[in-house]
Amino acid sequence: QVQLVESGGGLVKPGGSLRLSCAASGFTFSEHYMSWIRQAPGKGLEWLSHISSSGKTIYYADSVKGRFTISRDNAKNSLYLQMNSLRAEDTAVYYCARGGATGVRIFDIWGQGTMVTVSS
Amino acid sequence: DIQMTQSPSSLSASVGDRVTITCRASQNIDSYLNWYQQKPGKAPKLLIYAASSLQSGVPSRFSGSGSGTDFTLTISSLQPEDLATYYCQQSYSSPRTFGQGTKVEIK
Repeated sequence: QVQLVESGGGLVKPGGSLRLSCAASGFTFSEHYMSWIRQAPGKGLEWLSHISSSGKTIYYADSVKGRFTISRDNAKNSLYLQMNSLRAEDTAVYYCARGGATGVRIFDIWGQGTMVTVSS
Repeated sequence: DIQMTQSPSSLSASVGDRVTITCRASQNIDSYLNWYQQKPGKAPKLLIYAASSLQSGVPSRFSGSGSGTDFTLTISSLQPEDLATYYCQQSYSSPRTFGQGTKVEIK
């Protein structure tokens, strides 16, 4: 079935780095825009970044621009989020989500999320 | 950035009640408005897209309406499994932004 599975979360010290992965299955990954969205504990949803199907078009939220890098490997059906210079306020559940073929008008499939905790 | 404001922040209703949640955008977003349901401890799930289109597999008791700046999500007959937080999200421009959420509790 159509599925997204995130991995790579964990505990990291402020200023540290972490790389999240999202493995896609059950659909043609290379035909879809993909996004990362996070949710701080007890808070709402915050869109972070999206990448086009080819990887050529990328957008970031101001809150992570310059610190996070989104990428994808269509041959491996995988999406990535490299997170550097992590701060306590980056503590959240990180979700990958599927967009459409021509953009991210909707997030129709979500992974189960991976928890990132930034603490000394 | 486009700000999305939901009301109420929370509500409590009985099984069978009609429930309405509103979402207001800080500027015109045409019909680029989606609704998501997030059950406790789970990932969000797409319910309604383009303001009023029901996502495949979503029960017909859910409906959406509105355009421009004002939108509504309606649950026609609240069920116990509808216990969740509901979020609106605009897809008119980047950054994509979400409302703060409306928590629906069952009396």
